[in-house]
Amino acid sequence: GAVVSQHPSRVICKSGTSVKIECRSLDFQATTMFWYRQFPKKSLMLMATSNEGSKATYEQGVEKDKFLINHASLTLSTLTVTSAHPEDSSFYICSARVLYQETQYFGPGTRLLVL
Amino acid sequence: SQQGEEDPQALSIQEGENATMNCSYKTSINNLQWYRQNSGRGLVHLILIRSNEREKHSGRLRVTLDTSKKSSSLLITASRAADTASYFCATDAAGAGSYQLTFGKGTKLSVIP
Repeated sequence: GAVVSQHPSRVICKSGTSVKIECRSLDFQATTMFWYRQFPKKSLMLMATSNEGSKATYEQGVEKDKFLINHASLTLSTLTVTSAHPEDSSFYICSARVLYQETQYFGPGTRLLVL
Repeated sequence: SQQGEEDPQALSIQEGENATMNCSYKTSINNLQWYRQNSGRGLVHLILIRSNEREKHSGRLRVTLDTSKKSSSLLITASRAADTASYFCATDAAGAGSYQLTFGKGTKLSVIP
């Protein structure tokens, strides 16, 4: 149980285009989903916290107009990187949490390369 | 320095040996969690220890927590080549109520067959 999927697993796009990444909780309802960014050989940096039905809360320094988050249902959250640039290239990981549980379940990550 | 810092940054051991990784943090916590990440993959939750606990075991894993020193350690006994991965500690800050985790920089463990 407690499986989180991400799609796509890998994406290459041209500079200026937008990319949407999906995060799904497959066998549970996630009241909260988190989006992280990880640079090579670095730790995870929290980008935003997404609660179902409400606006996402962004961490300091993360542009909400650039990284659009939609948490439309208890099983799906999406991250859209708008007008992507090469510096947005990174590994994006989502996680999901069940109400009243402390553990986060992580997706397999999406590797974004912007050319 | 960053909340949740692990040391060493890298550790290389022979199969069968024990591996110990340490984590230090700065603020009061509700709990501390250890995760494992294989190269280019997502994170796998290993173990959670609450602020009122001092030690916890799960299979070959042993975690200790010293809240007075704001530190934790992860011990992997009888290591296997398949244990090769990066290990991160993550803290859930007390009073935040958001269940957000702050991750350390990680320890890259290499277990040599």
